[in-house]
Amino acid sequence: DIQMTQSPSSVSASVGDRVTITCRASQSISNWLAWYQQKPGMAPKLLIYGASSLRSGVPSRFSGSGSGADFTLTISSLQPEDFATYYCQQANTFPRTFGQGTRLEIK
Amino acid sequence: QVHLVESGGGVVQPGRSLRLSCAASGFSFSTYAVQWVRQAPGKGLEWVAVILYDGSTKYYADSVKGRFTISRDYSKNTVSLQMNSLRVEDTAVYYCARSSGALYFDYWGQGVRVTVSS
Repeated sequence: DIQMTQSPSSVSASVGDRVTITCRASQSISNWLAWYQQKPGMAPKLLIYGASSLRSGVPSRFSGSGSGADFTLTISSLQPEDFATYYCQQANTFPRTFGQGTRLEIK
Repeated sequence: QVHLVESGGGVVQPGRSLRLSCAASGFSFSTYAVQWVRQAPGKGLEWVAVILYDGSTKYYADSVKGRFTISRDYSKNTVSLQMNSLRVEDTAVYYCARSSGALYFDYWGQGVRVTVSS
């Protein structure tokens, strides 16, 4: 199985800050990667797919990059509604696997 | 509007069975895969199973293989997850999600809680 490792596990930031979350796969997954946002008590929401494609309706302050085994999710200017947990997910092989999550908290 | 609604959750004793359903609407059901993802209390997301648009191609996580069975009913636009021999570690919120090409999860249901406890 492909292991997905996110870092950091948690991060504190302020509104307006730029935040980067990284995701590393245990083997190359080309660009078969997605990022999700989850708020407490809610289902996850797809933000980015194909490593860098922004889903329609997702604010442009979210961006994704990377290929192979190393990927990043960047939020260019944090807004109050962005404080949540973020997960990466590989779609290269079955079983699909997720990173352990990165909790983004208000400083 | 794409809509997925899970049902069938509850409290069950270890070793017993439960059947979850996912009712889909607002899209062409026969052209999308549907996947189940679960989240144990306070934990991250764990992929469980997928059934492709053809209804015959299915994949399972090792943790549920041989105990869970995924199926779909095109006449009712539903996907079911039959869960047998339940274990305490199966306790989680179970989400169904639509998936184009079985790659990414673009629409999710609200989730249904399953508690396995004696």
